[in-house]
Amino acid sequence: EVQLVQSGEEVKKPGESLKISCKGSGYSFTTYWIAWVRQMPGKGLEWMGIIYPAESDTRYTPSFQGRVTISVDKSIATAYLQWSSLKASDTAMYYCARGGTYSYSVIDMWGQGTRVTVSS
Amino acid sequence: QSVLTQPPSASGTPGQRVTISCSGSSSNVGGYTVDWYQHLPGTAPKLLIYTNNQRPSGVPDRFSGSKSGTSASLAISGLQSEDEADYYCAAWDDRVNGPIFGGGTKLTVL
Repeated sequence: EVQLVQSGEEVKKPGESLKISCKGSGYSFTTYWIAWVRQMPGKGLEWMGIIYPAESDTRYTPSFQGRVTISVDKSIATAYLQWSSLKASDTAMYYCARGGTYSYSVIDMWGQGTRVTVSS
Repeated sequence: QSVLTQPPSASGTPGQRVTISCSGSSSNVGGYTVDWYQHLPGTAPKLLIYTNNQRPSGVPDRFSGSKSGTSASLAISGLQSEDEADYYCAAWDDRVNGPIFGGGTKLTVL
């Protein structure tokens, strides 16, 4: 089965670091883009950035540049989204998603989402 | 506030046809193709329309997309209760040099 499976829910304190994961299976992981999308509580979808696993070519939406790091480990078909110092405003659902079947920015498959809560 | 403007809400009765608009500018909708996603509560979003009017395999032909100038539309005909969801348009934007989503439209089936 072609799927993206994300790591589980996280509850963290402000200032803590976090790395969430997204494992692809059932397809050639390195030849499709992996995007990260944020949905804050009660809000819409926001494109955070995207990575091409074969080359680790990474592109960030300006508003997320410097605030998160997107990376990938090709050997285990897993992409990551990480923060070095979380803020309460990072509380959101985070989706990883696959692009590249139709074009790099068209997402044809999504992970189930990882809920991140940042609270003191 | 997204640069792709969608109405916050839309509604219709079963069997009806509804349209959801997505208004942008020459730096996004006007210059690039538009995609549409459906987001049901508690689930992952789903691609409904890509490249303005193309349906991925498995998406019913009740869903259709169009684009004219700096605006795009998603039409849903034969509205069903399971269509109740949030709908997002998406397009490339020159100002962020990347893809962006519209603000989303919550569709209610009355």
